[in-house]
Amino acid sequence: QKEVEQNSGPLSVPEGAIASLNCTYSDRGSQSFFWYRQYSGKSPELIMFIYSNGDKEDGRFTAQLNKASQYVSLLIRDSQPSDSATYLCAVICLPGAGSYQLTFGKGTKLSVIP
Amino acid sequence: DGGITQSPKYLFRKEGQNVTLSCEQNLNHDAMYWYRQDPGQGLRLIYYSQIVNDFQKGDIAEGYSVSREKKESFPLTVTSAQKNPTAFYLCASSLGTANEQFFGPGTRLTVL
Repeated sequence: QKEVEQNSGPLSVPEGAIASLNCTYSDRGSQSFFWYRQYSGKSPELIMFIYSNGDKEDGRFTAQLNKASQYVSLLIRDSQPSDSATYLCAVICLPGAGSYQLTFGKGTKLSVIP
Repeated sequence: DGGITQSPKYLFRKEGQNVTLSCEQNLNHDAMYWYRQDPGQGLRLIYYSQIVNDFQKGDIAEGYSVSREKKESFPLTVTSAQKNPTAFYLCASSLGTANEQFFGPGTRLTVL
């Protein structure tokens, strides 16, 4: 059973601080890693993806991947109240029966306090 | 204006009825997916399709059916055999199954 684990939160950070969201995965053969943001009552929105070990930055967001530790994280700098949402980690695993599957964690709820 | 559309946004069903949820994409994606999301739960895969006229069961396919007659369309039917159908249903698409997925706005189904 391929698993993606996230702390459900809520994670509360003050406005302007760095929010750090973490995710671990069980399948060592996992190849691609994604972060989605989901506002309450809305559908998930892709905000970052990372394929290689190290850091990838996009604006206020940084994704970090450590395949040896089977760990991926998302940092949000200068957090804003509009960042308050649930963040879903998703991992694409090696193919089973000929096709890849995207496995989602249950999400971490982030609350940015003004 | 490229994207994924789902209709209706809200759907109410009486017990024992079948209902069909629509999903259309104009992104020229080969792969399409249906997920179900319950409160406090992650996304669970119902069915996916890698190519027209082909689809595979996901983790929770029982009580659901799909078709993929056109590349742009992947409708989901929730049958009366689905024991607990009240949920938020999300359709997604991707270039291929190894690529990032993009989601439609979702359909919220309530069984009365």
